[in-house]
Amino acid sequence: EDKVVQSPLSLVVHEGDTVTLNCSYEVTNFRSLLWYKQEKKAPTFLFMLTSSGIEKKSGRLSSILDKKELFSILNITATQTGDSAVYLCAMNYGGSQGNLIFGKGTKLSVKP
Amino acid sequence: NAGVTQTPKFRVLKTGQSMTLLCAQDMNHEYMYWYRQDPGMGLRLIHYSVGEGTTAKGEVPDGYNVSRLKKQNFLLGLESAAPSQTSVYFCASTWGQYNSPLHFGNGTRLTVT
Repeated sequence: EDKVVQSPLSLVVHEGDTVTLNCSYEVTNFRSLLWYKQEKKAPTFLFMLTSSGIEKKSGRLSSILDKKELFSILNITATQTGDSAVYLCAMNYGGSQGNLIFGKGTKLSVKP
Repeated sequence: NAGVTQTPKFRVLKTGQSMTLLCAQDMNHEYMYWYRQDPGMGLRLIHYSVGEGTTAKGEVPDGYNVSRLKKQNFLLGLESAAPSQTSVYFCASTWGQYNSPLHFGNGTRLTVT
């Protein structure tokens, strides 16, 4: 069964800390893996990863994919209170029921 | 450029009532999706469309119907609302089926009493 598992489910850190969010997946026909940030409303797109070992980076956020071990990580350095959100991992595959499977998300709380 | 617009933003229904949620996108995207988001459950796909005039069932389609009469609009209908349909509903669209990110609307919070 295709699935996406995120860990931890929730995390509380202090400003300035570095955090690593994990996403593991099982899929029969992998196409890409995507990370989204969700604050109050709509999820907003962060990264899309298709190839192993190539880091995607945007400011303090970075992500990498390991297709051999079937996981991805999202790193956030020097966290700020504005990073508080739910981070969603989604796997894009060649299945018949739509094209994305979402994990349940990691809720990150950054305290001042 | 509005992106993906959902209406209404909030709605309260009584059990058995019907309603339609409207999703409109102005990005000329082929693919459109309806998700529901519940605490601890993540985003689950209800129905989707791969182009004008087409629809398909997702993971949790029961109790919902959809229509895609125009490329820019994707409607989600509840014929007889149930308390189990209390949720936040998100519409999303994208131009490609695989290696393209979804663009989400801001959601509709529906409560069924």
